[in-house]
Amino acid sequence: EAGVVQSPRYKIIEKKQPVAFWCNPISGHNTLYWYRQNLGQGPELLIRYENEEAVDDSQLPKDRFSAERLKGVDSTLKIQPAELGDSAVYLCASSLDLLAGDTQYFGPGTRLTVL
Amino acid sequence: AQSVSQHNHHVILSEAASLELGCNYSYGGTVNLFWYVQYPGQHLQLLLKYFSGDPLVKGIKGFEAEFIKSKFSFNLRKPSVQWSDTAEYFCAGFKAAGNKLTFGGGTRVLVKP
Repeated sequence: EAGVVQSPRYKIIEKKQPVAFWCNPISGHNTLYWYRQNLGQGPELLIRYENEEAVDDSQLPKDRFSAERLKGVDSTLKIQPAELGDSAVYLCASSLDLLAGDTQYFGPGTRLTVL
Repeated sequence: AQSVSQHNHHVILSEAASLELGCNYSYGGTVNLFWYVQYPGQHLQLLLKYFSGDPLVKGIKGFEAEFIKSKFSFNLRKPSVQWSDTAEYFCAGFKAAGNKLTFGGGTRVLVKP
């Protein structure tokens, strides 16, 4: 079974440029998560989708960040414009029903460097 | 707000030594707790999880963790580590009502051969 797929794996951009990350969750997983992991810290949730609905986006900086999950499968996270402080690893994860004891599976992440 | 904290940022030990990593959570009620591991160059993988039942949870690769409700703790243990256990370990938890996973800051473990 294929795991969570993310692309690109690495991205280097200059500040004020836009950037987008793509995630393909495990087939059949209705819940999709985007996390940001700063160096030396644990992942922090940015947004959680249940199918195509964003049910928790309270930690998403909405002035520059946006996300979508069309058709409830793939998802895209965008930053426009990027700032120096956005340098981090952006992780995508998916799960069935976490409350029922299912596991959250993580992708390899996209390492973003903003110069 | 729910939070998860890990006591040690870095741990260095020799092969065959015993490992214990501390994890504490700050919220009451029904909790669900996890330990994830991230090997160098790889993605986060689940080691073990606690939802209910036996507070001593056994995971993959010889790891186990004990949920102690009175101490708000979920420490990870392995009796004898190997060089291949070199990795970063993350404790995480969520409160059933919130359905939001919160991670600790992680502990980098280096096992010297």
